[in-house]
Amino acid sequence: KNEVEQSPQNLTAQEGEFITINCSYSVGISALHWLQQHPGGGIVSLFMLSSGKKKHGRLIATINIQEKHSSLHITASHPRDSAVYICAPAGGTSYGKLTFGQGTILTVHP
Amino acid sequence: NAGVTQTPKFQVLKTGQSMTLQCAQDMNHNSMYWYRQDPGMGLRLIYYSASEGTTDKGEVPNGYNVSRLNKREFSLRLESAAPSQTSVYFCASAGAAAGEQFFGPGTRLTVL
Repeated sequence: KNEVEQSPQNLTAQEGEFITINCSYSVGISALHWLQQHPGGGIVSLFMLSSGKKKHGRLIATINIQEKHSSLHITASHPRDSAVYICAPAGGTSYGKLTFGQGTILTVHP
Repeated sequence: NAGVTQTPKFQVLKTGQSMTLQCAQDMNHNSMYWYRQDPGMGLRLIYYSASEGTTDKGEVPNGYNVSRLNKREFSLRLESAAPSQTSVYFCASAGAAAGEQFFGPGTRLTVL
């Protein structure tokens, strides 16, 4: 069983729709990262959070430590949001080892 | 600032050849990481360096060696490349061990 489960694996949306990507994990964590991987391959860190909620522009990330669950929301989705979104809980070790989910492939159509 | 840079971007090797992937960061970060990404496997940690002068194995270290040359540079060496090492390799750095990680553009390696 994977330590990190993301759902859905694939998501297709129309421009303007509200998007939710879910992440469940089984390991104890110190923080959780959300990453975005563009079609060209580059990886960008979107959020790092250890409790509550964070917002950056149209992106919102939430985490429930007790339920070992995090969500990434995209409001008013746009075709440029098309990418792979990766959830990565960070273990409680001193070096903050990340365990990566398989990723959610998001395609937003105009 | 260039952030995290990696060279080369692409490389084709024959089985048994050796090569070194270079990574450098200009953000004065203490921690640096090497990952590989394979289809259906997600990202996996090969080696990491929590600070200058230290390196430790990650999840998939076999067949690789690393050198933290100085605070800026962290190289990954394949001594005898195998087809199973065909992958995309990403270097990342972080200011603190458990902090936000910044990724390089990746190196696409094919071993024939």
